[in-house]
Amino acid sequence: DTAVSQTPKYLVTQMGNDKSIKCEQNLGHDTMYWYKQDSKKFLKIMFSYNNKELIINETVPNRFSPKSPDKAHLNLHINSLELGDSAVYFCASSRGLAGIYNEQFFGPGTRLTVL
Amino acid sequence: DAKTTQPPSMDCAEGRAANLPCNHSTISGNEYVYWYRQIHSQGPQYIIHGLKNNETNEMASLIITEDRKSSTLILPHATLRDTAVYYCIVRVADNAGNMLTFGGGTRLMVKP
Repeated sequence: DTAVSQTPKYLVTQMGNDKSIKCEQNLGHDTMYWYKQDSKKFLKIMFSYNNKELIINETVPNRFSPKSPDKAHLNLHINSLELGDSAVYFCASSRGLAGIYNEQFFGPGTRLTVL
Repeated sequence: DAKTTQPPSMDCAEGRAANLPCNHSTISGNEYVYWYRQIHSQGPQYIIHGLKNNETNEMASLIITEDRKSSTLILPHATLRDTAVYYCIVRVADNAGNMLTFGGGTRLMVKP
């Protein structure tokens, strides 16, 4: 069974559109994350979400918003897509937020291409 | 956060030990050293972490110098499947510490 899954795997869309990427984890973890990996392969944290507490990386535009219907899901909504949003987006989860037992499990990634 | 410095690339012969260095000379006393790797087209994978003692698990060993200013990840018998980018990350173990910051990493190429 896949621990952290994302859909879709590939997403191609036009500039200005609104899109969502879904993430689900079956590990029973309390904390979920979204990361962005750009064309230069640098991986940057976007959000951390734990028990309805959202921690946002201040560099993330407010066009990006995570939504969590329940503890096992953290979806990423992106409004008014721009060319610079093209990247691979990774979802991850961990057992907790604090403490040393914060090994993160990553999903397979969603490659977003904005035309 | 303590900045980490890693060589951009390394080669290793299959079956040999791969020793990946990481410098973190500004590390604080409450910061842990984490290692992750990313195999091509996959999500990052946790390998190991430590504070000051050497650590070993089924994947690798982590050697941290006594002054904690550097560490080495050791893959004892590298295989072709270990070809990946390896990231050394230094973070405190608190709420903000879960927000991992990945640098450029070391691209390890294991060759037959």
